[in-house]
Amino acid sequence: QVQLQESGPGLVNLSQTLSLTCTVSGGSISSGDYYWTWIRQHPGKGLEWIGYVYYSGSTYYNPSLESRVTISVDTSKNQFSLRLNSVTAADTAVYYCARDSNGGYGAVDSWGQGTLVTVSS
Amino acid sequence: QSALTQPASVSGSPGQSITISCTGTSSDVGGYNYVSWYQQHPGKAPKLIIFDVSNRPSGVSNRFSGSKSGNTASLTISGLQTEDEADYYCSSYTTITTAIFGGGTKLTVL
Repeated sequence: QVQLQESGPGLVNLSQTLSLTCTVSGGSISSGDYYWTWIRQHPGKGLEWIGYVYYSGSTYYNPSLESRVTISVDTSKNQFSLRLNSVTAADTAVYYCARDSNGGYGAVDSWGQGTLVTVSS
Repeated sequence: QSALTQPASVSGSPGQSITISCTGTSSDVGGYNYVSWYQQHPGKAPKLIIFDVSNRPSGVSNRFSGSKSGNTASLTISGLQTEDEADYYCSSYTTITTAIFGGGTKLTVL
């Protein structure tokens, strides 16, 4: 049973860079069967797709965030990461790392517990 | 791109059936059979309950079923149970942004 765990600062200063890492256990990130995904949820709101990375390093981003987002993978550590530049209060959210098991077509079958990131001024 | 449209809330009594709709466009729901549904209890991560419009992952109750007609997908929950009370989100593959979610529906079991 694969498990995902987010890690990173819970508080980020305005205009700085949000950085989170997701550690995958119970399965190899290099298996090639999955797309490794970041999704966020603003407090009390719905879900928003940020993007995902394939084990090869190929990435796909939400166009609304694409200019500020980088998702990368480190197969040697079985981890993938999210960087979001120039954050504002609107980036305050619970960030989930997750696994898309359906070729990147949006069937996310495994989720981390989520980590709240607050942007502080 | 706007989120897929879901009713803000639905309710039902134990044992009843309810249906939640998810309306998109021909660029997402109507154009592909890649609609998924998620259940989210308060303070928890979402759980996948339907993928590819009507398929259930292993371990998900057959009380949950999905369908699609045109640009609208639907999730039906039969034999409502108190533990079904949760938020439900649809999502769809889209040519524009790879995937998009609905705004979510709060299910209340009366």
